[in-house]
Amino acid sequence: DGGITQSPKYLFRKEGQNVTLSCEQNLNHDAMYWYRQDPGQGLRLIYYSQIVNDFQKGDIAEGYSVSREKKESFPLTVTSAQKNPTAFYLCASRQIDGYTFGSGTRLTVV
Amino acid sequence: GIQVEQSPPDLILQEGANSTLRCNFSDSVNNLQWFHQNPWGQLINLFYIPSGTKQNGRLSATTVATERYSLLYISSSQTTDSGVYFCAADTDKLIFGTGTRLQVFP
Repeated sequence: DGGITQSPKYLFRKEGQNVTLSCEQNLNHDAMYWYRQDPGQGLRLIYYSQIVNDFQKGDIAEGYSVSREKKESFPLTVTSAQKNPTAFYLCASRQIDGYTFGSGTRLTVV
Repeated sequence: GIQVEQSPPDLILQEGANSTLRCNFSDSVNNLQWFHQNPWGQLINLFYIPSGTKQNGRLSATTVATERYSLLYISSSQTTDSGVYFCAADTDKLIFGTGTRLQVFP
């Protein structure tokens, strides 16, 4: 089945540590996106990539970094510079008839 | 940047009732997408609709691009319709509204 796989589903991190969230797609889509959702809120764009080896900052990029070395993969690193990283993170890709989202990673800083 | 507003923020229905959710956007967009977020957080695509009307079972959506709004209709609501409904404006990236939280009681 084609789709977007995010891992892990749940992640706990100590303050001061970097952590990387995985996003893999087998849909052959060029464009991929990372969003953050806080409780009771909508989704906000962190980073996006329209093509391999290229990416742009979204609205809330501070404290995050990404890479796009392969078409299938768009990992997100939450760095220690992110002041409030506890949130639900969703990855998406875009096709001609809309966007498809993965099932998300819940990150908790302990 | 573009602003997306949804109303109402909360909606409580009894099973079998009909409802209309509204999405206003502040500028021209390439497209408009509606999602249902289930209790586990999964975003389920409902409609990708730049203009006109689409229907899928008990759900339908209408976008009037010239007036910058979209409507989502839910007919004969069921408890499984509960969750949060988001609209998002597509400008080569999705800009989300703050959602409508729907609770359907038996």
